[in-house]
Amino acid sequence: GQQVMQIPQYQHVQEGEDFTTYCNSSTTLSNIQWYKQRPGGHPVFLIQLVKSGEVKKQKRLTFQFGEAKKNSSLHITATQTTDVGTYFCAGITSGTYKYIFGTGTRLKVLA
Amino acid sequence: NAGVTQTPKFRILKIGQSMTLQCTQDMNHNYMYWYRQDPGMGLKLIYYSVGAGITDKGEVPNGYNVSRSTTEDFPLRLELAAPSQTSVYFCASSFLPLAGALYNEQFFGPGTRLTVL
Repeated sequence: GQQVMQIPQYQHVQEGEDFTTYCNSSTTLSNIQWYKQRPGGHPVFLIQLVKSGEVKKQKRLTFQFGEAKKNSSLHITATQTTDVGTYFCAGITSGTYKYIFGTGTRLKVLA
Repeated sequence: NAGVTQTPKFRILKIGQSMTLQCTQDMNHNYMYWYRQDPGMGLKLIYYSVGAGITDKGEVPNGYNVSRSTTEDFPLRLELAAPSQTSVYFCASSFLPLAGALYNEQFFGPGTRLTVL
């Protein structure tokens, strides 16, 4: 079946350093979404990417969708303690309504 | 709007017991989903629904049942609880797709933490 993997599984950074998480799907995706989950909380939507090669920015966050629509990345510039949490990608294939979530990357920011 | 609400917040079950996890949304979303999240892991789709009266299996449906009699409610039923069902359960909902975007963001409830002993 379809699988969505994320690397790294964990990342510890010093406050102010950059952070990147990568998402790879075994199949071509129609869309990809990114979510953030704070410790003890529920996933919160960050962004959706639809087009091949698409790049979107939200303040210090930059999201990319690969040309083949099988991979994506999230880059955070100059991390802050408020960035702590687990970041998930969620992919969906054309003609289905089943989101497949990635394994997640847990980010810890050291002040 | 309250968004997506789930009850109970916590529950401990004995092996073999049954229970229903409640999920309600007040955003008039057509699409609703049930996920489970094991400790330190990602979310696995259990069941989903694209509208009242329509449900379908996700990745891990065994041991669960759902129904969708109204747009607002999407309860999840565990018939014979097993330790492997110890997890955090999230309900989510989303709008119908908008023109130009195939799918929309999912809004998650706060979760139900279930322990089966």
